[in-house]
Amino acid sequence: GENVEQHPSTLSVQEGDSAVIKCTYSDSASNYFPWYKQELGKRPQLIIDIRSNVGEKKDQRIAVTLNKTAKHFSLHITETQPEDSAVYFCAARGGNQFYFGTGTSLTVIP
Amino acid sequence: NAGVTQTPKFRVLKTGQSMTLLCAQDMNHEYMYWYRQDPGMGLRLIHYSVGEGTTAKGEVPDGYNVSRLKKQNFLLGLESAAPSQTSVYFCASSSAEIWVSLHFGNGTRLTVT
Repeated sequence: GENVEQHPSTLSVQEGDSAVIKCTYSDSASNYFPWYKQELGKRPQLIIDIRSNVGEKKDQRIAVTLNKTAKHFSLHITETQPEDSAVYFCAARGGNQFYFGTGTSLTVIP
Repeated sequence: NAGVTQTPKFRVLKTGQSMTLLCAQDMNHEYMYWYRQDPGMGLRLIHYSVGEGTTAKGEVPDGYNVSRLKKQNFLLGLESAAPSQTSVYFCASSSAEIWVSLHFGNGTRLTVT
């Protein structure tokens, strides 16, 4: 089955700096890569996603890049704000299953 | 439009007791999933269903059973709870379309003493 690895497990940045979270996957058949943000005590919520036929996607301060050849994808958050503090999960979809990374706890220091 | 609704939100069980977690979705999604979330381990798939009357095992199915008698409902059962099943449980649903994300419920925090 698919194996998704996510790094780093924790990340602290100063407010206004950028944050980058990286994920790798093993199954070349995976074709959809969503990213979720989970605030403390709440459910994971989709923040951005990318399809396998696209290399990059942006939504305001958030961007995701995908390198299919190397089987890795990354989340980029620019101009970080304290409300960006949360746990972020990457995922890869293959068929009817979603495979998750183990999460990155992001802390934005005011 | 409620999305995905889980009940109950919290539960405390004694070892050996049984319970059922209910998940309901109103988006007409074909696929439904049960995950457990433990610190540092991300979201691990317990069981899933690709349609009414069908279920399949995920990564960590032992000690759990599921049923999907109606398309909108997916039940997770613990027949004899163990302390190792203390966790936060999330139900999620998705369309069968390839480029569609999961929609999560608000979670159930279960403690087994």
